[in-house]
Amino acid sequence: KNEVEQSPQNLTAQEGEFITINCSYSVGISALHWLQQHPGGGIVSLFMLSSGKKKHGRLIATINIQEKHSSLHITASHPRDSAVYICAVSGNSNYQLIWGAGTKLIIKP
Amino acid sequence: KAGVTQTPRYLIKTRGQQVTLSCSPISGHRSVSWYQQTPGQGLQFLFEYFSETQRNKGNFPGRFSGRQFSNSRSEMNVSTLELGDSALYLCASSSGTSMLSDTQYFGPGTRLTVL
Repeated sequence: KNEVEQSPQNLTAQEGEFITINCSYSVGISALHWLQQHPGGGIVSLFMLSSGKKKHGRLIATINIQEKHSSLHITASHPRDSAVYICAVSGNSNYQLIWGAGTKLIIKP
Repeated sequence: KAGVTQTPRYLIKTRGQQVTLSCSPISGHRSVSWYQQTPGQGLQFLFEYFSETQRNKGNFPGRFSGRQFSNSRSEMNVSTLELGDSALYLCASSSGTSMLSDTQYFGPGTRLTVL
């Protein structure tokens, strides 16, 4: 079983829809990262959080430490949001980032 | 501020050769991490450097090595290339002392193809 699981693996939605991407992890963590990777490889760090909720524009990230679960929400989705969204956690016991497999999001106009 | 830059952007090599990739972090950033991304394996951590010291290494064979210079620029080297080394190699820098607790800024990557 992977230590970081993302769901769904693929998501296609219409422009304007509210999007939720989930990340569950099985290890103790010091922080959780959400990143966005556009076609062509460029990766952008969206959020780093260890508790609660963060908001940046139309993006919202939440984390529940007790349930070992995080969600990334996109409101009023737009075709330019189409990308792979990756969840990564900093484990407590080892000095590495553990990466999820990513969620490929396609927003259709 | 200029972002993280990686050179070269594309590289084609043959099996058995060696390759050196370069990463220049954002000015002022002292932590540099390297990742390998392949379609089947996703992102895999290679190593992290801070102030010229390797702080952690991922589960890769000894053919993969790296270093960091006093100006924080970093290089990674892969010797005796294998077909399976074909991948996108990404470098990321952060302003703090740890990639674990700081926001990472990624470069555009170097696409290595081994023939």
